[in-house]
Amino acid sequence: DAGVIQSPRHEVTEMGQEVTLRCKPISGHDYLFWYRQTMMRGLELLIYFNNNVPIDDSGMPEDRFSAKMPNASFSTLKIQPSEPRDSAVYFCASTNRQGPDTQYFGPGTRLTVL
Amino acid sequence: AQKVTQAQTEISVVEKEDVTLDCVYETRDTTYYLFWYKQPPSGELVFLIRRNSFDEQNEISGRYSWNFQKSTSSFNFTITASQVVDSAVYFCALSDDLYGSGNTGKLIFGQGTTLQVKP
Repeated sequence: DAGVIQSPRHEVTEMGQEVTLRCKPISGHDYLFWYRQTMMRGLELLIYFNNNVPIDDSGMPEDRFSAKMPNASFSTLKIQPSEPRDSAVYFCASTNRQGPDTQYFGPGTRLTVL
Repeated sequence: AQKVTQAQTEISVVEKEDVTLDCVYETRDTTYYLFWYKQPPSGELVFLIRRNSFDEQNEISGRYSWNFQKSTSSFNFTITASQVVDSAVYFCALSDDLYGSGNTGKLIFGQGTTLQVKP
């Protein structure tokens, strides 16, 4: 069974550009989480969805960040406009209520904003 | 508030040594879950173990073992006979009961312990 898929794996962009990160959760999982990892703040939750509906977006740093989940197999995290301080590794994770509540992580997207 | 503390920032051992990674947590919930994840140099986060708050049995999986003690709010991880491939950052994490009323199930991570195993 395929794990969580994220794309791109690496993204380098210039300040002010729009960035879109993509995630495909494990099939059958109804919860999807977006995390960000930085040296200063470690791993922190940005937003999570249940059955494609955003439940808690209190971790989204500011209005420049937005996330959508148009269907059960796809989610996007968008940053517009991007800033150098957004440079981080962004992880997507999924789980389901039929399973053991364990979140399985994708490989991450390493974002560098110049 | 929930909090996870991994006091050991970096540990360096020689191959075949045993090593214990410490994890102390804080929570007011009666039902909660504890996790360990491994992040090798390649960067992905690999799930190692999940424990719920009602199960204090220690667990062993090959060279890995976990000691959960509610009395001291600790969930320590021991690698026996360490190998170079064990070199990674190890994260301890805490979550509330995702399906409990008002809970989020979000993972609260510790800062991680970098383990270096030298040949």
